[in-house]
Parts: sequence; structure tokens; C-alpha cells
Amino acid sequence: GESVGLHLPTLSVQEGDNSIINCAYSNSASDYFIWYKQESGKGPQFIIDIRSNMDKRQGQRVTVLLNKTVKHLSLQIAATQPGDSAVYFCAEAGNMLTFGGGTRLMVKP
Amino acid sequence: DSGVTQTPKHLITATGQRVTLRCSPRSGDLSVYWYQQSLDQGLQFLIQYYNGEERAKGNILERFSAQQFPDLHSELNLSSLELGDSALYFCASSLEGAIRQPQHFGDGTRLSIL
Repeated sequence: GESVGLHLPTLSVQEGDNSIINCAYSNSASDYFIWYKQESGKGPQFIIDIRSNMDKRQGQRVTVLLNKTVKHLSLQIAATQPGDSAVYFCAEAGNMLTFGGGTRLMVKP
Repeated sequence: DSGVTQTPKHLITATGQRVTLRCSPRSGDLSVYWYQQSLDQGLQFLIQYYNGEERAKGNILERFSAQQFPDLHSELNLSSLELGDSALYFCASSLEGAIRQPQHFGDGTRLSIL
């Protein structure tokens, strides 16, 4: 079936640095992708989405890049802050929304 | 605050029992989705309702069922509970029925089976 995966379970960055979280997806027919942030004890929080007719989309301090050739998605967070510490999930839309396993981002002060 | 409300926040019960989880979607949203999050399976889509009708089905066991009421709130019923059903259950909502739009999640119900 469809699957979305993350290769780095934990990413540790210094406060103020940029963070890059990567995601590989397997279904070449997927045409919509979302990034979510989940803090401890909370539900996933929508960050940004991108459709397959785009390569890049920017939000507030975040950028999502989509490389359809290699089926790769990344989330870039600029000037990472302690409040960015959380687990980040990518998800792809095929027949349903399929989530990856998550990457934990830890921000060191 | 996402605007999606789930109750209860915690539920502790025993094997073989039945429980009902409740979700109120964001104001104006017509779709409700249910997900299960466990340590070894991640976030798994269970089922979607749109404007009272079942829209899509994922990895939902036959022991589980859901419905969406005329006021658009939804309930997820879990029966003949097993130890492996212990997990976080999330509800999400979106404006329309299509998958390709942001879903907004509640803070979940933590179900513990003893």
C-alpha cells in the first residue's frame, strides 16, 4: 500500500539555526502533501501544505520543498526557536491521508 | 486551539468492554476524520464522515464503528476491547469532503485497556 517515511527519528539543532526535516514518499500518484507539528499531549497542528503542481511554498518561517522526481519532501524552519521543539509529520494524500512515522526536533538553547 | 473538541481526554477500561469517544468539529466543517495513534503504528486513518455520510474507510477494525449526527458531531464506538486497542484516538475536521485540504485535529482521547 501507500507509505510515507521519515529517515531521521531525532534532529537536534541549536537555537537560531535553520532546521531541515526530510520525508520520502512512495506513491508517485500522490498530489497533495501536508506537514504537521505535534507537541507533547496535543493533537497534530497544521503547518503548511503543497500541491504537486508546485515545487516550493513558503509560510511564516517555514518552507516546504517538493521534489517529485525523487519523491522527496522537506520542511525547512528558519531561525529555529525552543517553541519549535516537537514531532513533525509529513502526510501524503492518495485515497486517504497517509502519515509518515515522524521526526522529533529538539532545539538546544 | 484548533476548534475541534474531543471528550473524554482519558479513558481507562478493561478488556471486553465497549467505549464511545466523542468529537465536535470546528464550526462550519462538514467532514470528520478519526485516527488511531500508537507507538508502533504511528497515525493511522480509520474513517471519514462527510455531512452525515460515510465517505472513506481506512484501517478500521470490524469491532469499531462510527457515525456523524445531524449536528455534525461524531462518535467512535470501540467494542470487545483488547489490550492492543490502547492508543491515542484523534478526531480531525475539514471544511469539505475532499482529502486534499488541511485537516484540523483535536487533542485526542487517550484510551488505556487494563
